[in-house]
Amino acid sequence: QQQVKQSPQSLIVQKGGISIINCAYENTAFDYFPWYQQFPGKGPALLIAIRPDVSEKKEGRFTISFNKSAKQFSLHIMDSQPGDSATYFCAAIPYNTDKLIFGTGTRLQVFP
Amino acid sequence: GAGVSQTPSNKVTEKGKYVELRCDPISGHTALYWYRQSLGQGPEFLIYFQGTGAADDSGLPNDRFFAVRPEGSVSTLKIQRTERGDSAVYLCASSSDRQNNEQFFGPGTRLTVL
Repeated sequence: QQQVKQSPQSLIVQKGGISIINCAYENTAFDYFPWYQQFPGKGPALLIAIRPDVSEKKEGRFTISFNKSAKQFSLHIMDSQPGDSATYFCAAIPYNTDKLIFGTGTRLQVFP
Repeated sequence: GAGVSQTPSNKVTEKGKYVELRCDPISGHTALYWYRQSLGQGPEFLIYFQGTGAADDSGLPNDRFFAVRPEGSVSTLKIQRTERGDSAVYLCASSSDRQNNEQFFGPGTRLTVL
């Protein structure tokens, strides 16, 4: 069964700090790894995504690091802000499909 | 332009009843997805449409769940003989094409089965 495991379950960071969320997958047949941000009462929104042929991707304060051999990928949020407080989901899309397989989520709280 | 819309935003029903949940995708998006999100969990895939046809319905939990998209735009998720375990937020997403294009999610319908 294809699974994506995510940690930590919750994270508290001070404003200006770095938030790090980790994910690992158990099946090599994934070819797309997006991160989604979800605020209460809203649907998930794409934050940043990476393909397995790239080891790192940066967009503004958000960076994905991807380790294909370890089957792990992580999200780094630099200079974390209170407005970043939300639940973050890693996800993966298997080859030749379009369905997202989500992790269990990380609730991030950034305090001023 | 308008995003994905879902109606109703909340639905409370009694065990055994039939419910319909509606999704209006972004105009022009050919792909439409349904996911289910239980409290404290990530969304779980239910079904995916490309145009009018269900390209992948492997996530539907049982035959009480059914979805249609008759004209390739609006989709309806139908749940028969609802059970308390069906209580969750049902999310709809759409994308402009296949091959890992961004899926845009609606706000979801919160279904509560009493």
